[in-house]
Amino acid sequence: EAGVAQSPRYKIIEKRQSVAFWCNPISGHATLYWYQQILGQGPKLLIQFQNNGVVDDSQLPKDRFSAERLKGVDSTLKIQPAKLEDSAVYLCASSLLDLEAFFGQGTRLTVV
Amino acid sequence: ILNVEQSPQSLHVQEGDSTNFTCSFPSSNFYALHWYRWETAKSPEALFVMTLNGDEKKKGRISATLNTKEGYSYLYIKGSQPEDSATYLCASNTGGFKTIFGAGTRLFVKA
Repeated sequence: EAGVAQSPRYKIIEKRQSVAFWCNPISGHATLYWYQQILGQGPKLLIQFQNNGVVDDSQLPKDRFSAERLKGVDSTLKIQPAKLEDSAVYLCASSLLDLEAFFGQGTRLTVV
Repeated sequence: ILNVEQSPQSLHVQEGDSTNFTCSFPSSNFYALHWYRWETAKSPEALFVMTLNGDEKKKGRISATLNTKEGYSYLYIKGSQPEDSATYLCASNTGGFKTIFGAGTRLFVKA
């Protein structure tokens, strides 16, 4: 079974630039999550999709972050414009019934 | 408790030592408790999911217990090996299927 795929693995950008991350979940998993993990902290849920609908985006900084999941499969997370404090690992995960989540390898973003 | 809290933050042990970590979570609206193992440069990997008070799960040298009434879970590693070095995350599902992660316990096992 193929796992959750994310790209890119690493990204370095300057502050005020834009960046986008891509996630392909496990086939058949209706629930997709984007987490932000800042060094020294636990993963924080940014947004949760059920198919292509948003279930929870209460912790998504909507002035600069946006996410979409067209057709209920792949998802993209965008930051525009980036700030220094956005430096983190961005993890995508998917699950079948919102129980056990399967994670991708993450995208490590450095904003300089 | 409003958040998921894990202790200790980090732990250094010698190969062969047994060790344990604690996860505290909100006991109200509890649905499930997950433990994940996260090795550097890899994806977090699910270890256990527990739902019932008194649950005990075991996988090889690693085991976990759950107390939903008081809101805590313990993860035990018997006879630690260098390959056990990783960050161990716990996450609590609450009412509304919201998952909250703790900050993790970083384990370092020295050969």
